[in-house]
Amino acid sequence: AQTVTQSQPEMSVQEAETVTLSCTYDTSESDYYLFWYKQPPSRQMILVIRQEAYKQQNATENRFSVNFQKAAKSFSLKISDSQLGDAAMYFCAYRSAMEYGNKLVFGAGTILRVKS
Amino acid sequence: DAGVTQSPTHLIKTRGQQVTLRCSPISGHKSVSWYQQVLGQGPQFIFQYYEKEERGRGNFPDRFSARQFPNYSSELNVNALLLGDSALYLCASSGEDIPGETQYFGPGTRLLVL
Repeated sequence: AQTVTQSQPEMSVQEAETVTLSCTYDTSESDYYLFWYKQPPSRQMILVIRQEAYKQQNATENRFSVNFQKAAKSFSLKISDSQLGDAAMYFCAYRSAMEYGNKLVFGAGTILRVKS
Repeated sequence: DAGVTQSPTHLIKTRGQQVTLRCSPISGHKSVSWYQQVLGQGPQFIFQYYEKEERGRGNFPDRFSARQFPNYSSELNVNALLLGDSALYLCASSGEDIPGETQYFGPGTRLLVL
C-alpha cells in the first residue's frame, strides 16, 4: 500500500517571502500522479498543482512550483511571494495510475501560517 | 457552473443512529468519491462510484455504504454510528474514471456523534 508523509505539521512564512513544504511518499509503482491540495479554514479543498510521474519537468502554476525527485520519492511544494490568502492546511496526495478506482492517498497535512 | 455541493452542512447524531449524507457532483461529472477527514488528519478514502457502479472501496467497515443515482448524485450511509465516526465527510467529483483526472471537492458535511 502507498503512504504519504508530510513531516512538517506547521510552517510559518513572512508575507512576500518564499516557503517550501515537504512531502515524501512510498510506492513500488512506476506510474502515478502527485497532487498538492489547499484547504483554507472554510474547509473546501482546492487543487494547487499536480505532477505526472512520467514527466521529468517540474510543474509550475504561477507562484506555486514543485520539486519532484522520483528516485528519492520526494515531492515538495514551493510558494513564492507568499500572500495572506495562502494561509491554509496543505495536503500532499498520491494517485496510482495502475490501480482500479479513483483513490487519493493523503498525507497528514501541513498548516501554513502567513505573517504580515 | 456550480461546484460540488453537499448536504447537510452540519449534523449531530447519537450513537447507534443512522445517517445519510448527500452529494451533487459538478454538472457533467460521472465519478463521485467519498472521504472521511478526522480532525487534524488527512482525508481517508471511503468509496468511489462511476456510472452508478462501485469502483473502489477503502478500509472501512460494512456499516458504511453508498450509492450513485442516474443523475450521478450520491448518498453515503453510515449505520450504527460510533463516536469515532465524528468527522468531516468530503465528496469529490471528476469527469471520468481516469487516473490523472483532477478531483474537485465539496465543502463537506461535519458529523458529530454524541
